[in-house]
Amino acid sequence: DAGVTQSPTHLIKTRGQQVTLRCSPKSGHDTVSWYQQALGQGPQFIFQYYEEEERQRGNFPDRFSGHQFPNYSSELNVNALLLGDSALYLCASSFPGLPNEQFFGPGTRLTVL
Amino acid sequence: AQSVTQPDIHITVSEGASLELRCNYSYGATPYLFWYVQSPGQGLQLLLKYFSGDTLVQGIKGFEAEFKRSQSSFNLRKPSVHWSDAAEYFCAVGHSGTYKYIFGTGTRLKVLA
Repeated sequence: DAGVTQSPTHLIKTRGQQVTLRCSPKSGHDTVSWYQQALGQGPQFIFQYYEEEERQRGNFPDRFSGHQFPNYSSELNVNALLLGDSALYLCASSFPGLPNEQFFGPGTRLTVL
Repeated sequence: AQSVTQPDIHITVSEGASLELRCNYSYGATPYLFWYVQSPGQGLQLLLKYFSGDTLVQGIKGFEAEFKRSQSSFNLRKPSVHWSDAAEYFCAVGHSGTYKYIFGTGTRLKVLA
């Protein structure tokens, strides 16, 4: 049973560029959440996707956007990259109801130069 | 607003010693509570969770946690620490009105041989 997978593992971009990160949920899950984890910090919620719609969003600017596909996989897009966007981006999958537990992928390490 | 506090940034214990990691949350109603562990450069692995019922929760790897409503706490314990427990530990909280989980800033555990 495959867990949550994310690609790529590492990514280096320069300021102003755009980036797309990808996530495949754990088998059986249809809900995907994205988190940003800055160095030395806990993960911060970016948004959650269910039924191909963003159903809740954290305190992140519109430069952060996402998409969910019919197979439940998801993408996180960040436009106009800033140095402060350097972080580990974590994807988590779950069932849609509450309460639930979120299963995390290994993350994508984004470095913005 | 919801918040999670992990008062100890770093903790060092000797192998075989007992461990307690503290977590305090701020939220009026009954929260959903989680402890996750993160090894360097890795994603988060769920150790245990509390949704309702018995306030003493057993998890994986010999960990347990106790929900104390009067103290707004959910401390993680292990009776005998192994060298492989060295990692960063995160407490997280959610509730029925949100799909977002709030994470603490983490406690880094070092284990001395």
